[in-house]
Amino acid sequence: NAGVTQTPKFQVLKTGQSMTLQCAQDMNHEYMSWYRQDPGMGLRLIHYSVGAGITDQGEVPNGYNVSRSTTEDFPLRLLSAAPSQTSVYFCASSWGQGYNEQFFGPGTRLTVL
Amino acid sequence: AQSVSQHNHHVILSEAASLELGCNYSYGGTVNLFWYVQYPGQHLQLLLKYFSGDPLVKGIKGFEAEFIKSKFSFNLRKPSVQWSDTAEYFCAVRDAGKSTFGDGTTLTVKP
Repeated sequence: NAGVTQTPKFQVLKTGQSMTLQCAQDMNHEYMSWYRQDPGMGLRLIHYSVGAGITDQGEVPNGYNVSRSTTEDFPLRLLSAAPSQTSVYFCASSWGQGYNEQFFGPGTRLTVL
Repeated sequence: AQSVSQHNHHVILSEAASLELGCNYSYGGTVNLFWYVQYPGQHLQLLLKYFSGDPLVKGIKGFEAEFIKSKFSFNLRKPSVQWSDTAEYFCAVRDAGKSTFGDGTTLTVKP
């Protein structure tokens, strides 16, 4: 199993550009989430999904879109990048909710100039 | 809304010292509590979790945590740290599909 994979690992964007961060998992997990990690602020939930076709907003959803057309993939789209979106982005998946642990990808380090 | 507070942002210890990292949560429902660790250059991974039963839970690499309901706490402990424990540690609470993480504690262990 590859687990949770993310691409790209690094990305530099200019303000106003759009891009998609890819996330895939091969564990047949229903639940998937996107987080951003900023220094001194832990991980903050952007969007999450409880299954194919179902997504919901987290704590910091503004400026990001998601979709979940398959169980395996959960891409995160930045519509118009801003310097405030400079961060490290983590994708995670789990079997279920509640007490089920999350499995994290390696992260994407994004810089917006 | 749920929230998590980690009291120590940066802890520096010498090898063999004992470790306790504080975590307090605010949530009124059934609690599912986690400690995750992020070693330098690696993914976040689970150290241990609590959802019911014995409030003292044991995890990987000699870590343990105690759930104290009356104090809304879930502190992480290790009797004797090693240099390889240098990492960032996150406490988290999960409700259904949503997780809330603390700000993290960076642990540096000096050899």
